[in-house]
Amino acid sequence: EAQVTQNPRYLITVTGKKLTVTCSQNMNHEYMSWYRQDPGLGLRQIYYSMNVEVTDKGDVPEGYKVSRKEKRNFPLILESPSPNQTSLYFCASSLRSTGTNEQYFGPGTRLTVT
Amino acid sequence: AQSVAQPEDQVNVAEGNPLTVKCTYSVSGNPYLFWYVQYPNRGLQFLLKYITGDNLVKGSYGFEAEFNKSQTSFHLKKPSALVSDSALYFCAVRVSQNAFSGGYNKLIFGAGTRLAVHP
Repeated sequence: EAQVTQNPRYLITVTGKKLTVTCSQNMNHEYMSWYRQDPGLGLRQIYYSMNVEVTDKGDVPEGYKVSRKEKRNFPLILESPSPNQTSLYFCASSLRSTGTNEQYFGPGTRLTVT
Repeated sequence: AQSVAQPEDQVNVAEGNPLTVKCTYSVSGNPYLFWYVQYPNRGLQFLLKYITGDNLVKGSYGFEAEFNKSQTSFHLKKPSALVSDSALYFCAVRVSQNAFSGGYNKLIFGAGTRLAVHP
């Protein structure tokens, strides 16, 4: 089944404790992206990747890191989480980076930082 | 600034009635427009898109959207609403950077509109 998977689905952590949210797609998609969803703000892009070893900042990259060492995986790293990073996070992928393809979204990761 | 606006936080419709969820956009160049739907505790799902061609676009689950260039709008419509259509709907527009190098495209999302269809 074609899908985007994220783990964990739920995470409660404390300020400053490094964490990684994994994202994997099995559709051989070029483009992958991370978003955070906050009430009243819609989805805001954190980082994106147009292909292996090609990543760039989105609209709200502060406090996050990513890597794209292989095509299928695009982990999101929070080196020192803070309470303002409490949010619902989505990973997404699309076939090409041209902007004409729809994005496929993972199920989401709900992160709480205390 | 490039942006997407969904002017209604919530839309309430009776089952069987037509529904409209509004979206307006502001981008430079030709817009690529998308609608996504989010059901509770789920990721977003693609509904439909406008890239070029016919201004009326048909998508999944009986939804359609009309691209209106003069009004910079891309409203989502359905002739007869179902209770199961109740969800959060997002409009999104592609914005392009580094166009000369064919580089980068990203989606800007609206804040979302909650659709409630009542029996």
